[in-house]
Amino acid sequence: DAGVTQSPTHLIKTRGQHVTLRCSPISGHKSVSWYQQVLGQGPQFIFQYYEKEERGRGNFPDRFSARQFPNYSSELNVNALLLGDSALYLCASSLGLYTGELFFGEGSRLTVL
Amino acid sequence: AQSVSQHNHHVILSEAASLELGCNYSYGGTVNLFWYVQYPGQHLQLLLKYFSGDPLVKGIKGFEAEFIKSKFSFNLRKPSVQWSDTAEYFCAVNGGTYKYIFGTGTRLKVLA
Repeated sequence: DAGVTQSPTHLIKTRGQHVTLRCSPISGHKSVSWYQQVLGQGPQFIFQYYEKEERGRGNFPDRFSARQFPNYSSELNVNALLLGDSALYLCASSLGLYTGELFFGEGSRLTVL
Repeated sequence: AQSVSQHNHHVILSEAASLELGCNYSYGGTVNLFWYVQYPGQHLQLLLKYFSGDPLVKGIKGFEAEFIKSKFSFNLRKPSVQWSDTAEYFCAVNGGTYKYIFGTGTRLKVLA
């Protein structure tokens, strides 16, 4: 079975640009969460989507947005990129809204120059 | 504020040595607790989890963890580590909501 897939795996942007990251959850999983992992830190919660609705948002500026599509895949968008947005962006899927285990993708590594 | 602390940032052990990684959390109310592992070049994957019941939980690859409510701790243990256990280990807490809070991780290096 396919796990959580994310694209692109690596990308380089310059300050002020916009980026879109994509995630396909495990088949049958209706919840997708996004996490940011800065080097040397643990993952930090950005968003959770369930059944195409935003169910939770972490402490990130409005430059960060996301959406979930009818097939449960998801996009994370970041506008007006800053150097500090350089990080590994992780997508995780789970069966339901509050079910226990998160299944992670390999992440999209964003470098902002 | 809700937080998870992992006090050991880097641990180096020889094969067959015993392992204990500390995890303390600050979270009001009922918690679900997790240990995730990230092997080199791989994605984060679940080692074990605690929701309720027996506070000693067993996970994959011989790992176990003990939930001590009075100490707000969920330490990870393994009696005898192998070279293949070299990885980064993350403790995480969830209060039954959408948000998981992760610790900063512990990098374990096992020497053959």
